[in-house]
Amino acid sequence: GQNIDQPTEMTATEGAIVQINCTYQTSGFNGLFWYQQHAGEAPTFLSYNVLDGLEEKGRFSSFLSRSKGYSYLLLKELQMKDSASYLCAVMDSNYQLIWGAGTKLIIKP
Amino acid sequence: DTAVSQTPKYLVTQMGNDKSIKCEQNLGHDTMYWYKQDSKKFLKIMFSYNNKELIINETVPNRFSPKSPDKAHLNLHINSLELGDSAVYFCASSQGDTDTGELFFGEGSRLTVL
Repeated sequence: GQNIDQPTEMTATEGAIVQINCTYQTSGFNGLFWYQQHAGEAPTFLSYNVLDGLEEKGRFSSFLSRSKGYSYLLLKELQMKDSASYLCAVMDSNYQLIWGAGTKLIIKP
Repeated sequence: DTAVSQTPKYLVTQMGNDKSIKCEQNLGHDTMYWYKQDSKKFLKIMFSYNNKELIINETVPNRFSPKSPDKAHLNLHINSLELGDSAVYFCASSQGDTDTGELFFGEGSRLTVL
């Protein structure tokens, strides 16, 4: 079966750095996505990785290792507004998105 | 301008009723989707549809049916509602067959079945 694993919840301090991990087992691979979802709102796109390595976009970076079936989302200089769920999703060989359950990130002052 | 809009945002109804949720996108995208997000926060694909093909997740009961009057609209009809249908339903769109990956989501419709 296809599976996406990420921690259920993480807590970090304002101004700090946090890394949210995602491991996957899917039928084929056509890219990995990270979405942010604030409570009661729609998910919004953060990043897309299809090649190994690190993609940086402002305070957020996303890393991919296809051989390990592993990705992480790195958030720097955390702000209170970063409190949200972070969803990892993998596109399989049929171009279908397989979603993880999301990691709820709690930022404390 | 809202890119993907869905109505209603909240819907409370009795078991056994039939209801519809409407979705419209003004992005000119080719593909639209319906997702169900349950209390455990998993996003589960229900349907994806473009002007060529409707793909149905085989786990979706046939009480659920998508209807697309045109490329910019994909409505969700639900017959004989059950308690387990309570969830947030998200409409989304993307350009092409998600080969670019980015989905644009509507704000969600929270359905509560009593």
